[in-house]
Amino acid sequence: GQNIDQPTEMTATEGAIVQINCTYQTSGFNGLFWYQQHAGEAPTFLSYNVLDGLEENGRFSSVLSRSKGYSYLLLKELQMKDSASYLCAVQDSNYQLIWGAGTKLIIKP
Amino acid sequence: GAVVSQHPSWVICKSGTSVKIECRSLDFQATTMFWYRQFPKQSLMLMATSNEGSKATYEQGVEKDKFLINHASLTLSTLTVTSAHPEDSSFYICSARVGERYTEAFFGQGTRLTVV
Repeated sequence: GQNIDQPTEMTATEGAIVQINCTYQTSGFNGLFWYQQHAGEAPTFLSYNVLDGLEENGRFSSVLSRSKGYSYLLLKELQMKDSASYLCAVQDSNYQLIWGAGTKLIIKP
Repeated sequence: GAVVSQHPSWVICKSGTSVKIECRSLDFQATTMFWYRQFPKQSLMLMATSNEGSKATYEQGVEKDKFLINHASLTLSTLTVTSAHPEDSSFYICSARVGERYTEAFFGQGTRLTVV
């Protein structure tokens, strides 16, 4: 079967750095997406990785290792507004998106 | 980025009634739209893929007669929850992708359905 694993919840301090991990086992691989979802709202796009390596977007970075079936999202200079759920999604061989359950990130002052 | 508009944002209905949710792509044509359901603290669950001008493709376990999908134009897909029951209460989200591959999904605002 297809599976995406993320930690359920993480806590970090304002101004610090946090890394959210995602491991996957899917039928084929055509890219990995990270989305941010605030409570009661729809997800918003953060990043896309299809090749091994780093993608940077301001305070957010994402890294992919296809051989390890692994990605992580790095959030720097954390702000209170970064409190949200972070969803990892993998595009399989049929270009269908397989979603992880999301990691709830709690930022403390 | 592309804009997807979903309406209504929230709705409360009585058990046994039907509710229609609209999803519109405002600045692009979406030949394919996706309908998701999300229960609290759970992942997005794909319900069906809506194809313009043809029948929707439903995921296993989703009742096509209960969740009616109509994709009558390149900019509008609707999801009708028929004979709603309290267990249908959930967050319903539509999304569309520009092109078929390697593109991000743009999401509507979501609809919070509460069946009482």
